[in-house]
Amino acid sequence: EVQLVETGGGLVQPGKSLKLTCATSGFTFSTAWMHWVRQSPEKRLEWIARIKDKSNNYATDYVESVKGRFTISRDDSKSSVYLQMNSLKEEDTATYYCTTGGGFAYWGQGTLVTVSS
Amino acid sequence: DVVLTQTPVSLSVTLGDQASISCRSSQSLEYSDGYTYLEWYLQKPGQSPQLLIYEVSNRFSGVPDRFIGSGSGTDFTLKISRVEPEDLGVYYCFQATHDPFTFGSGTKLEIK
Repeated sequence: EVQLVETGGGLVQPGKSLKLTCATSGFTFSTAWMHWVRQSPEKRLEWIARIKDKSNNYATDYVESVKGRFTISRDDSKSSVYLQMNSLKEEDTATYYCTTGGGFAYWGQGTLVTVSS
Repeated sequence: DVVLTQTPVSLSVTLGDQASISCRSSQSLEYSDGYTYLEWYLQKPGQSPQLLIYEVSNRFSGVPDRFIGSGSGTDFTLKISRVEPEDLGVYYCFQATHDPFTFGSGTKLEIK
């Protein structure tokens, strides 16, 4: 059974940092392209980052709104993907999901990040 | 960025009737490899989104044949025939042809 479990969310002040982890199992992680998608309190979904596999040099891509502030990374030995979020803004408040699959076939349950003073 | 415009914003349907959702793209979603990476997701209350349709018209494993995706280029439609209670939720279209990938704003399906 495929499982994705996000952790690391919480309440953080503007300008601070947070690192999310997505631990996975049940599929061949090393060849999977992994993504982070977030959902605002207004329920708008936004794709924010992708990391490809080793054969594609672990290439990364980001939506403009997080470029320079967020970093996606992976550890194939732990079947985990990470999202380092720096210089957080109130508009980054959202539930963050990791997802993968042909089409986004598999999703975690999400972790809530609240940016507020 | 590609803008996906979904209509209607909400839809109230009688059980057993058909529902239709439109997704219009600001540019063609046909990729250079000939495939069109337009997908449909359903987010049921309190759950993560779930994949229904990929590459315009292919149903994901386990998705009932009541869900039919169609379209090409910039215009796409999701039809749900014989709506059932478990179909309620918010439907999103999504494109993975152009970076950055983008979602539509969602269509809320309610049961009358």
